[in-house]
Amino acid sequence: GEDVEQSLFLSVREGDSSVINCTYTDSSSTYLYWYKQEPGAGLQLLTYIFSNMDMKQDQRLTVLLNKKDKHLSLRIADTQTGDSAIYFCAERENSGYSTLTFGKGTMLLVSP
Amino acid sequence: DGGITQSPKYLFRKEGQNVTLSCEQNLNHDAMYWYRQDPGQGLRLIYYSQIVNDFQKGDIAEGYSVSREKKESFPLTVTSAQKNPTAFYLCASSGREGYQPQHFGDGTRLSIL
Repeated sequence: GEDVEQSLFLSVREGDSSVINCTYTDSSSTYLYWYKQEPGAGLQLLTYIFSNMDMKQDQRLTVLLNKKDKHLSLRIADTQTGDSAIYFCAERENSGYSTLTFGKGTMLLVSP
Repeated sequence: DGGITQSPKYLFRKEGQNVTLSCEQNLNHDAMYWYRQDPGQGLRLIYYSQIVNDFQKGDIAEGYSVSREKKESFPLTVTSAQKNPTAFYLCASSGREGYQPQHFGDGTRLSIL
């Protein structure tokens, strides 16, 4: 079955770049998503990428996809204290109306 | 504003009691989902529905039940058969097309009295 792996914790200083990594096992994954969760809140969609793309940039966020290694990364430029949250990677198969498989999330802590 | 509304935000259950969590969306989405989140865990799928009057079990459906009588609404009942119900419950919805991402509500935290 599908599996999505993330490192559990990342700590950076304000103003630095953050890179959160994710690996997935399902080679038929077509859509890959990044969500952000602040304490006590739901998940907020940050960005997503199709498997026929290598990179997607959206303001301070850059997503890189290495299909050969099944590796996805989220880079946050000029990280701010408001970026402190849990970040979830999720993948979706290209098989009709399929569901998402989530990683366990990476807690990002940004210190002043 | 379009979005997903979950209520209540906090809910307490007594032993042997069934409780129902509400989820309403005004995004005109066909599909709706219920997830359970435990501390330090990812999201686990409980039930999902792709169309009115139809739903499928997810990975951890035991002890839960759902209904989908209206497109906008997908309530989740946590039954007394669910022995460890304390968790954060998240509802989501998405459009029919495969690329469309899921959008989430703000969650309901369920605790045992």
